[in-house]
Amino acid sequence: AQSVAQPEDQVNVAEGNPLTVKCTYSVSGNPYLFWYVQYPNRGLQFLLKYITGDNLVKGSYGFEAEFNKSQTSFHLKKPSALVSDSALYFCLGGNQAGTALIFGKGTTLSVSS
Amino acid sequence: GAVVSQHPSWVICKSGTSVKIECRSLDFQATTMFWYRQFPKQSLMLMATSNEGSKATYEQGVEKDKFLINHASLTLSTLTVTSAHPEDSSFYICSASREESARPRADTDTQYFGPGTRLTVL
Repeated sequence: AQSVAQPEDQVNVAEGNPLTVKCTYSVSGNPYLFWYVQYPNRGLQFLLKYITGDNLVKGSYGFEAEFNKSQTSFHLKKPSALVSDSALYFCLGGNQAGTALIFGKGTTLSVSS
Repeated sequence: GAVVSQHPSWVICKSGTSVKIECRSLDFQATTMFWYRQFPKQSLMLMATSNEGSKATYEQGVEKDKFLINHASLTLSTLTVTSAHPEDSSFYICSASREESARPRADTDTQYFGPGTRLTVL
């Protein structure tokens, strides 16, 4: 069965430190991968996506993610965390075969000042 | 830009009644809208994909007669939960895509999500 996993329920980092939110996937064929962020009381917001091309994808708010086919990972990263980055982050994945979009369970990022 | 709204944000209804949820793209024309359902402490589940002026495409296991989707215009899609029962209580989220393609895809199109609607069926 296809799946998207976010192994950490919560990630805590200090402001100014680099952050990583992990995502691994298991899909048949070529994967399509997304990162979305959900701030409290707001809808999901698009950060970035990988469909094809460069493995390093740059997105909104200074976030980037690296597609690693050998490790089947698509970790979200930011060089220097801000308190305002505190939110719930979702990794999403799919493949060329179907229309279903698979959501990871979400990771809560908490950035302390 | 790319703001999506949902109305209502929260609704309580009696078992057996029908509830309509609206999803609107406020500042762009959405060629495709997607409807999701989120169970407590679980990920979102795609229910259906709708294109303006055509029938929605439902995911396997989703009852199309139970969850009626209408996409009347490029800025409005509605989800009607018919004859609602307590097990239909959930958080429903819509998203909209402005990417034009012959085959809209939830797994490739960039989507802009609404804030969600909390449905409680008594």
